[in-house]
Amino acid sequence: QSALTQPPSASGSPGQSVTISCTGTGNDIGTYKWVSWYQQRPGKAPKVLIYEVSERPSGVPDRFSGSKSGNTASLTVSGLQDEDEADYYCCSYAGSNNWVFGTGTKVTVL
Amino acid sequence: QLQLQESGPGLVKASETLSLICSVSGGSISSSSYYWDWIRQPPGKGLEWIGGVDYTERTHYNPSLKGRVTISGDLSKNQFSLTLTSVTAADTAVYWCARHRSRPYSGYDLGFDLWGPGTLVSVSS
Repeated sequence: QSALTQPPSASGSPGQSVTISCTGTGNDIGTYKWVSWYQQRPGKAPKVLIYEVSERPSGVPDRFSGSKSGNTASLTVSGLQDEDEADYYCCSYAGSNNWVFGTGTKVTVL
Repeated sequence: QLQLQESGPGLVKASETLSLICSVSGGSISSSSYYWDWIRQPPGKGLEWIGGVDYTERTHYNPSLKGRVTISGDLSKNQFSLTLTSVTAADTAVYWCARHRSRPYSGYDLGFDLWGPGTLVSVSS
């Protein structure tokens, strides 16, 4: 299984919104609703932001939202804050108890 | 509060076997709601799902690593382990154990919701 495709980088000024895409295939994102998103700060373990395409775990600000269309999932960070500067990864179920991560996107707050 | 902690050698020789243990405290790995997974990240690169084990000791693996990887659970010790054979420099990575709240065949996947701090394993030539 191949990694899901994300843009290497994205940026925005404080208060703006940034959207990160995650493109897979009909064997993963296109078929299943089990897409999750993770935020990873340097030297730290990833933290789940979104699960099942658009659900937020308790404690995750509603500035983070997810969606899916066809083979592409998206994460939008609204009202960018300095603390949002991090790497972001998508992850999708790929069938037969297999999961695949995205290539990762580095978000810079200008 | 459930916590996970990886342990094992930080240096492994090429062609040998990498072995890590994840010790779980504050909760039991015998819950039917979770998989107990391993994920790795080579320096400067992205995340890669390695595989996992559930409370019945049923395992699932990344097809790209199948044949080299074995994951097993030890309910009596409340821990699970990773073994990766015939390692090369490409296996140098930070390895995390994680709780995966997921049962696709039951209709839910809440993601990897708890992670250990991670451990760097380097493969030397």
